[in-house]
Amino acid sequence: QVHLVESGGGVVQPGRSLRLSCVASGFSFSNFAMHWVRQAPGKGLEWVALISFDGSDIKYADAVKGRYTISRDNSKHALYLQMNSLRPEDTAVFYCARDPSNIVSNEMDYWGQGTLVTVSS
Amino acid sequence: DIQMTQSPSSLSASVGDRVIITCRASQSIGKFLNWYQQKPGKAPRLLIYVASSLQSGVPSRFSGSGSGTDFTLTINYLQPEDFATYYCQNSYNTPFFGGGTKVEIK
Repeated sequence: QVHLVESGGGVVQPGRSLRLSCVASGFSFSNFAMHWVRQAPGKGLEWVALISFDGSDIKYADAVKGRYTISRDNSKHALYLQMNSLRPEDTAVFYCARDPSNIVSNEMDYWGQGTLVTVSS
Repeated sequence: DIQMTQSPSSLSASVGDRVIITCRASQSIGKFLNWYQQKPGKAPRLLIYVASSLQSGVPSRFSGSGSGTDFTLTINYLQPEDFATYYCQNSYNTPFFGGGTKVEIK
């Protein structure tokens, strides 16, 4: 049974950093691409970043490029999102999601429960 | 960037109704279009991929169609558990989502 569990969210001041984690179980994590998607309170879904199965292909949304870094540790079945220079508009629930392909198909077939990041002074 | 526009943004329907939601891409994306369902406080759920393929475990009352720039999600015989927000998503390149369609009880 596929399971994705995010952690690392919380309240952080503008300009500070936060690192989110997503631990996977129930499937061969190293064989699948992964995504981060966020959702601001009361708003729609916004894709944030993707990483291929081996980390060789990485892409970011323009809104986070240069501030966020996606990475993975296949030995730990873990996906990460390092978020720097956080802004109030980064406030959102962050979801990790599995891509059913090893390279990238941009489909998202399993999702975690999300972790809330609040950027506020 | 390819923009995804959904309509309507919300609709009211009754149990048993047929509901049709449309999604338009700002340029052709072939059949690279997915549909997700999200209930309040929950993660999204993949319903349809590559425009018309039903994800495993999704009831057959959900169907998708379209190609190029115009796509539809149809829900036949709307059930109480179908009241939710639905999002289309481009999987041709940068995976942008549409703005969502909230299906409410009439």
